Amino acid sequence: GDSVTQTEGLVTLTEGLPVMLNCTYQSTYSPFLFWYVQHLNEAPKLLLKSFTDNKRPEHQGFHATLHKSSSSFHLQKSSAQLSDSALYYCALSAASGSWQLIFGSGTQLTVMP
Amino acid sequence: EAAVTQSPRNKVAVTGGKVTLSCNQTNNHNNMYWYRQDTGHGLRLIHYSYGAGSTEKGDIPDGYKASRPSQENFSLILELATPSQTSVYFCASGTPETLYFGSGTRLTVL
Repeated sequence: GDSVTQTEGLVTLTEGLPVMLNCTYQSTYSPFLFWYVQHLNEAPKLLLKSFTDNKRPEHQGFHATLHKSSSSFHLQKSSAQLSDSALYYCALSAASGSWQLIFGSGTQLTVMP
Repeated sequence: EAAVTQSPRNKVAVTGGKVTLSCNQTNNHNNMYWYRQDTGHGLRLIHYSYGAGSTEKGDIPDGYKASRPSQENFSLILELATPSQTSVYFCASGTPETLYFGSGTRLTVL
């Protein structure tokens, strides 16, 4: 079945350094990939999603590139900010009939001053 | 922005008791979902619905029932609550391209 893997449970880095959160997936179909962000005591919210035309989605300085050859959709940002501290979920939806959104286990990003 | 409201925000229940978590959305979305969130497991789908009167099992439906009496309302029911169901529960509505989540219900089963 479809699945999403986020290998890092916790990432801690210093403000100003680049961010990369890993996401790989398995799917029988050609899925759409998403990143959701959840700040402390808040609901998860959509951060960005993949496009069908290979454009690179960007939002709030974050971007991600869908690489079908390696089944990856890593989240990147050139310079981390304190406000980026949050829980990040990678997710996929596949045209398998039910159109469920399947989430990875999440990566907690902590940005230190 | 889509509005999804969950109630209660916090709930303490006893083992074997019945618990009902409620969710209301005002954006006329056909699809609604119930997830639970646990550290190390992320968000796992319990039940979902395509519209009023429909409920479908997600990945972890055991011990849970769902009810969708109207387009706006979607409930999650624990008939016999167990301590393993202690978790944070999120309701969501929308499409698989964009889900709008409620603020969550923190459930503790003693």
